[in-house]
Amino acid sequence: AQRVTQPEKLLSVFKGAPVELKCNYSYSGSPELFWYVQYSRQRLQLLLRHISRESIKGFTADLNKGETSFHLKKPFAQEEDSAMYYCALDPVFGKGTKLTVNP
Amino acid sequence: DTGVSQDPRHKITKRGQNVTFRCDPISEHNRLYWYRQTLGQGPEFLTYFQNEAQLEKSRLLSDRFSAERPKGSFSTLEIQRTEQGDSAMYLCASSLPLLEQFFGPGTRLTVL
Repeated sequence: AQRVTQPEKLLSVFKGAPVELKCNYSYSGSPELFWYVQYSRQRLQLLLRHISRESIKGFTADLNKGETSFHLKKPFAQEEDSAMYYCALDPVFGKGTKLTVNP
Repeated sequence: DTGVSQDPRHKITKRGQNVTFRCDPISEHNRLYWYRQTLGQGPEFLTYFQNEAQLEKSRLLSDRFSAERPKGSFSTLEIQRTEQGDSAMYLCASSLPLLEQFFGPGTRLTVL
């Protein structure tokens, strides 16, 4: 069965600082991994998926099959990045990390 | 198409009553998912369908929960004999296989 672990429940950084949200997974097959974001009072929405290898809002994520990780990174955090971030291995979601970017 | 819709948006019920929620997915999406989310937690997987077939059901889902998608379009989630611990946001999402999920606004259930 799939399992997704996001070890940090809360993450706080200052504007302009780099940010990394960790995600580890457990799955015997070929993983289809996603990052979703939920801004305050909004629906969950896709941020990016590993298969597309694109950068959305400055975020990137690299699949590391050896370490079974799919960490989300952004070199310079912005205040509008403050939100809940969920790593997902379809159909299972991690418990999420609340990112706060301070001015 | 306006996206995934859910009805009702809010439901307040007394313990022991049955409740039913409806989800209308994006029309061309053949996958439909149900999740439960409590405050500060991630979406907890309940079940999902591909067309009308229920492909997977969480072991966490008690026998009081049942979901249907009779014609491969809309879906219903029924909770029988509700308990206070069932109070949560119930989310529905739809997708094409292996592609991103599109989420509905959720149904907030309060069991008194």
